[in-house]
This record gives sequence, structure tokens and C-alpha cells, in this order.
Amino acid sequence: LAKTTQPISMDSYEGQEVNITCSHNNIATNDYITWYQQFPSQGPRFIIQGYKTKVTNEVASLFIPADRKSSTLSLPRVSLSDTAVYYCLVRSSGSARQLTFGSGTQLTVLP
Amino acid sequence: GAVVSQHPSRVICKSGTSVKIECRSLDFQATTMFWYRQFPKQSLMLMATSNEGSKATYEQGVEKDKFLINHASLTLSTLTVTSAHPEDSSFYICSARGLADEWNEQFFGPGTRLTVL
Repeated sequence: LAKTTQPISMDSYEGQEVNITCSHNNIATNDYITWYQQFPSQGPRFIIQGYKTKVTNEVASLFIPADRKSSTLSLPRVSLSDTAVYYCLVRSSGSARQLTFGSGTQLTVLP
Repeated sequence: GAVVSQHPSRVICKSGTSVKIECRSLDFQATTMFWYRQFPKQSLMLMATSNEGSKATYEQGVEKDKFLINHASLTLSTLTVTSAHPEDSSFYICSARGLADEWNEQFFGPGTRLTVL
């Protein structure tokens, strides 16, 4: 399983765009990058998944460069309710492998 | 999206007692369920993987006789913490994976906060 590295914490202010970068130097050809969000005392919630270039949904965008050794989760115009831990995971499709959570990034949005 | 529930959401027990936590997939059939444990300010740690109708596979360092897992149906898995001690106090989270799921998408439950006095 590819190991991921992301910042332990980040602070931002309401209304700003937040970019959280994750490194996954050993990503394999059939691996996808997935991001989860976790609020205190809740289970993780799927945010977005991608393989290459850019993926966008209603809550976030995911940017993946050509070498796929890193990825950036972009949260547009964050609000106080976006304060949470964000986990970057690498996983394979069609596999029975479990998810391996890294340390995650604690995002704190300030008023 | 798929919904996974856990019961109870919070439990406090005395040391030496056993506690059962239920994990249910409400609107889909889960061939595989996973049990995680999360200590304060730490990440999720996988404890075991259970497939319906078969024995659970435990991660290294997790005592199978202490953490009993039963996955008797496609919608229910239970984790029983036997002879609980204060060091077992933690946040226990289950997830479930559905049938024919190419992406192995796991849907997480809301977690169960266990406090052992």
C-alpha cells in the first residue's frame, strides 16, 4: 500500500479557498486517490476520488499532476463547519484491500 | 448514499464487563464489514475485517479472544469487547462494503464511544 504524507494541521479563515496537499510517492498504476472528512466523534465521510488530472464535485476539487506522486484537495470558500480532519488515502479498484488511514490534516477554519 | 448505523452511540461500563456493539447496513447488503478503533487525536486503526458467514481476520496485535466479531448476516456485524478494561476505552467505528462494488467503497458508521470505568 502506498504511504501518504500530509500536513498535520492547517488554519484558514472563513470564505477562503483551502488547498491540502498529500504526497504518495509510491502510488501504483492501478491506485486511486481518495479523500475522507471526519468530524469529531463521527465516522469518516467520503469527499472525492480521482485517478489523474482534475475531478470536481459539489463540495471539492481534486488536482492530480501527471506523475501522480501527489494530490491536492481544494475546498472553495470554507466555512466554520468545514473544520474537521481530512484524510488522504490511496487504494486500488477491484481489490479486497482494506483502507489504510494516515495521520490526516486537522483543518481549523477561523471566523 | 448508503447508510450504516451503529448501536449504541455511547456506552459506559464497569471494568470486567463485556460490551456488544452492533453495526448495520440499512439500505444495502454488506459482504464485508470492517472494524476500526480510534483513540483521541489519533487516526483510525483497522482492527479486523469480517466477511459474512466466515471468521473475521484480525490485524496484528488485536486479540481475537478479546474482540469477538460476528457477521451473521449481510446487514449486521457485531463487535463484543470482552472483559473490558479502561485501556479499551476508545471510539469504535465500523464500515461496510457492498456487493459487486468495483471501487470497494466503504460506508462508515457514526461510531460508538466506549468508556470503561
